[in-house]
Amino acid sequence: QSALTQPASVSGSLGQSITISCTGSSSDVGGYNFVSWYQQHPGKAPKVLIYAVTNRPSGVSNRFSGSKSGNTASLTISGLQAEDEADYYCSSYIDLNSWVFGGGTKLTVL
Amino acid sequence: EVKMVESGGGLVQPGGSLRLSCAASGFTFSSKFMTWVRQAPGKGLEWVASIKPDGTDKYYVDSVKGRFIISRDNAKNSLFLQMNSLRAEDTALYFCATDPNWDSSWGQGTLVTVSS
Repeated sequence: QSALTQPASVSGSLGQSITISCTGSSSDVGGYNFVSWYQQHPGKAPKVLIYAVTNRPSGVSNRFSGSKSGNTASLTISGLQAEDEADYYCSSYIDLNSWVFGGGTKLTVL
Repeated sequence: EVKMVESGGGLVQPGGSLRLSCAASGFTFSSKFMTWVRQAPGKGLEWVASIKPDGTDKYYVDSVKGRFIISRDNAKNSLFLQMNSLRAEDTALYFCATDPNWDSSWGQGTLVTVSS
C-alpha cells in the first residue's frame, strides 16, 4: 500500500489560512470516511487534530477543519499562529483493520 | 487522564529480537482497538500492526509480516510488540496508539535502533 500524497511543505503568514491536501485512491481516502489529521512538533508524539474526516477532538482549536472530496482530503488551518509551525500527517483506513499515512507536510509560519 | 507509556526499545544487531511494551491507563483498555505506529529518523509515520480488543485478530503491514507479533494482556492493560529478525530498516521510534479512526491517544514512543 503506497503512502498517501501530501505536499512536502507549505507556508503562510501569521493570521492567514492555509490548506494541506492528502491524495489517495478509491481504496483508501475515497472509499472510507476515516481520514485523520495529526500535528507533530519536533521530538513530540503526534496529536490528533481531526478524525473521521471532519470531527475535531475536544480541546482542539476550531481554527483546524477537515474536509474530503473524492480521493482527496484536506486540512485547513485558519488564523495561522506561530505555534502552528509543525509537521502535519494525514491517515486513512484501507480495509482489514489497516491504515496508511501520508508522507507529511512541513508547515512554516512566516 | 489517558496515558500510554512505551518501553523496551534499544540497540540491537541485525537479526536480533526485541519486545516492546506499552502500559496504558486512564481508559477501558480491554474495549479499545490498539495499534503500533513507527517513525524512522527524519521520516514520516508508518502503521505497523493492530489488534482487536479481545486479542483474537491481528493485522500487520506487509514489511513486518512473519517477523513481528502484536499481543495484549487486558488484565494488565498492556500492549506488546515482539520483533524478530530485525533489519536496519526497522530502526524507528515506535508509538503505541488507540484506534486511528477515532480520537486516538498516543504514547511518547520508544526508540529501536538496529545496527551492528
